[in-house]
Amino acid sequence: AQSVTQLDSHVSVSEGTPVLLRCNYSSSYSPSLFWYVQHPNKGLQLLLKYTSAATLVKGINGFEAEFKKSETSFHLTKPSAHMSDAAEYFCVVIPSWGTYKYIFGTGTRLKVLA
Amino acid sequence: NAGVTQTPKFRVLKTGQSMTLLCAQDMNHEYMYWYRQDPGMGLRLIHYSVGEGTTAKGEVPDGYNVSRLKKQNFLLGLESAAPSQTSVYFCASSPLTSGHYNEQFFGPGTRLTVL
Repeated sequence: AQSVTQLDSHVSVSEGTPVLLRCNYSSSYSPSLFWYVQHPNKGLQLLLKYTSAATLVKGINGFEAEFKKSETSFHLTKPSAHMSDAAEYFCVVIPSWGTYKYIFGTGTRLKVLA
Repeated sequence: NAGVTQTPKFRVLKTGQSMTLLCAQDMNHEYMYWYRQDPGMGLRLIHYSVGEGTTAKGEVPDGYNVSRLKKQNFLLGLESAAPSQTSVYFCASSPLTSGHYNEQFFGPGTRLTVL
């Protein structure tokens, strides 16, 4: 079955230190992958997406993610955390060509310490 | 351009009551979706629609019905609410594209409590 696994339910970092949020997927085909962010009591906002054009994808607010097919991973990183990055982050996969349904990870809540 | 809007933002129901959640989008998108979000479970697809007049079941459809009478609107109905339906409900839409990727645009959510 196609799926996506976010390896950490909670991550805490200090302001100004790097952020790493981990995501692994399973797919029989070359997937499309997304990261969304949800701030408290808000809807979901697209951070970035992988669509096979380039393995290193840059998104908004300084985030980026690297698609590694050999590791079936799509980890989200940011060099320096800001207090405003505190939110929940979802990794999402569209597992195969011709479908449009998202499969969501269970989310990672990022806490940024002053 | 309002994007995806949801009505109402909050609602409290008693067990057995019915209600309808309205989703509207002004982006002329073909596809629309209803999700529920529960702690630790991410978002789960309830129902979706690939065009006006069509609907289909998602991952967790039981206890819900939907209708897509107009392209821009997607309604989610609860005929007899149960406490297990306490959740945050999100609507999303996406365009019909020939590409593999298909970004979904989300509404702000409806927080529903069933007592």
